Amino acid sequence: DTGVSQDPRHKITKRGQNVTFRCDPISEHNRLYWYRQTLGQGPEFLTYFQNEAQLEKSRLLSDRFSAERPKGSFSTLEIQRTEQGDSAMYLCASSLGFGTGSNQPQHFGDGTRLSIL
Amino acid sequence: AQRVTQPEKLLSVFKGAPVELKCNYSYSGSPELFWYVQYSRQRLQLLLRHISRESIKGFTADLNKGETSFHLKKPFAQEEDSAMYYCALSGGASGTYKYIFGTGTRLKVLA
Repeated sequence: DTGVSQDPRHKITKRGQNVTFRCDPISEHNRLYWYRQTLGQGPEFLTYFQNEAQLEKSRLLSDRFSAERPKGSFSTLEIQRTEQGDSAMYLCASSLGFGTGSNQPQHFGDGTRLSIL
Repeated sequence: AQRVTQPEKLLSVFKGAPVELKCNYSYSGSPELFWYVQYSRQRLQLLLRHISRESIKGFTADLNKGETSFHLKKPFAQEEDSAMYYCALSGGASGTYKYIFGTGTRLKVLA
């Protein structure tokens, strides 16, 4: 198992374009998370899935952002009509947990660095 | 408000000196606390988890509920400890599994 995999590693696009990132979690992990990290800050939570259900979304996740995990395996994060402020590192993490209060630590991917021109 | 505070952006110590990276938190409930480390050009990886009460790479961290702190300590720093360290909390038993991270502390161990 190579761990959490994210694609692409880097994305450069013009303001106003749409972008989509992919995350492949560790295969047996049922929980998947997206975070955003800007320079000098720690990762900030965006959204989380348990299997295919999106259970929590941050207020940071504006209407331009959408995330899916259609079959409870890989996930995509799409940003529509990108803005300068969207430039950041987008991190994906996964974990294994069953029931309330049960959760193994999150494993992180290398991230996708988004640059908006 | 739920918050993790790491007051030092940068901490420089000499090799062999003790290290303490500070982490304070604000959370209504019983959070689970973690330390993650990011070495140069590597991904974030788990260093410690408070419920494990382990020592990893010589590092320890004790949860002090009275002072709402989870400081990371090592008695003798090594050059390979140079990295970015993030403190994080999770709601755990309260059913929210997202992490709230601090802003991180860069540790530089000087030869």
